Amino acid sequence: GQNIDQPTEMTATEGAIVQINCTYQTSGFNGLFWYQQHAGEAPTFLSYNVLDGLEEKGRFSSFLSRSKGYSYLLLKELQMKDSASYLCSFMDSNYQLIWGAGTKLIIKP
Amino acid sequence: EADIYQTPRYLVIGTGKKITLECSQTMGHDKMYWYQQDPGMELHLIHYSYGVNSTEKGDLSSESTVSRIRTEHFPLTLESARPSHTSQYLCASSSGGADTGELFFGEGSRLTVL
Repeated sequence: GQNIDQPTEMTATEGAIVQINCTYQTSGFNGLFWYQQHAGEAPTFLSYNVLDGLEEKGRFSSFLSRSKGYSYLLLKELQMKDSASYLCSFMDSNYQLIWGAGTKLIIKP
Repeated sequence: EADIYQTPRYLVIGTGKKITLECSQTMGHDKMYWYQQDPGMELHLIHYSYGVNSTEKGDLSSESTVSRIRTEHFPLTLESARPSHTSQYLCASSSGGADTGELFFGEGSRLTVL
C-alpha cells in the first residue's frame, strides 16, 4: 500500500531553524513535493526532489532519501510569516500525488 | 503569480440542491484537478483531467461529476448536496510531466450544506 506520515504540529522560535520530517511508503515513486499552506488559503509550491540529496532554495531546503522513504524540509532564519501548514506529497507510479495531512508550524517571537 | 480562479469563494446552500463549482485557468495547462480538504486534513482527489474530453475519477468521486469541454474550464457539479459535502474544494492545474509536477491552486470554494 501507500502511505505518508508527518508530524501534526511543531513549534519554533523566530530566527531559529526547524526541520519538518516526512516518511512515506510506496511501490512506485516519481518525486516528492513540499507545499506551504497558510490558514484559509490554497497550497503554494515550495520544492521538488526526485533524486537523493539536498535542494536549497533561499531560506528553505528539502532533502530526500529514496532508500529510506524519507524527506525533510529545513527552514532557516524563521520569520513570523512562516507560520503555516507544510504539506508533504509524493508522486506515485501513476503520476498521482499522495498527500500527507500537513504539519502545522507555529512560530513564537 | 498563478492564474487559476474559482467561484464562488463561499457558498451556503440547503440539502438536496444542485450546485456547480467553477474553475478556470489561463495558463494553458492540460492537467486539472479537484481536491476536497477538511481543516487539518490531507487533500483528497475528487476528479482529474489530462486534457479536453478527458476526465478521471479520484478517491471521492462517487457523488460528483466534472466536464472538460475547454482546456481552461473544469467545473465540478454536485447533483444533490448533503451536509457531508460541507468542506473546502480546491481546484488545481499543472503543465504536466514528472519533472514539472508543480500544482497551481485556486483560492478554493468553501461550501456549507445545511
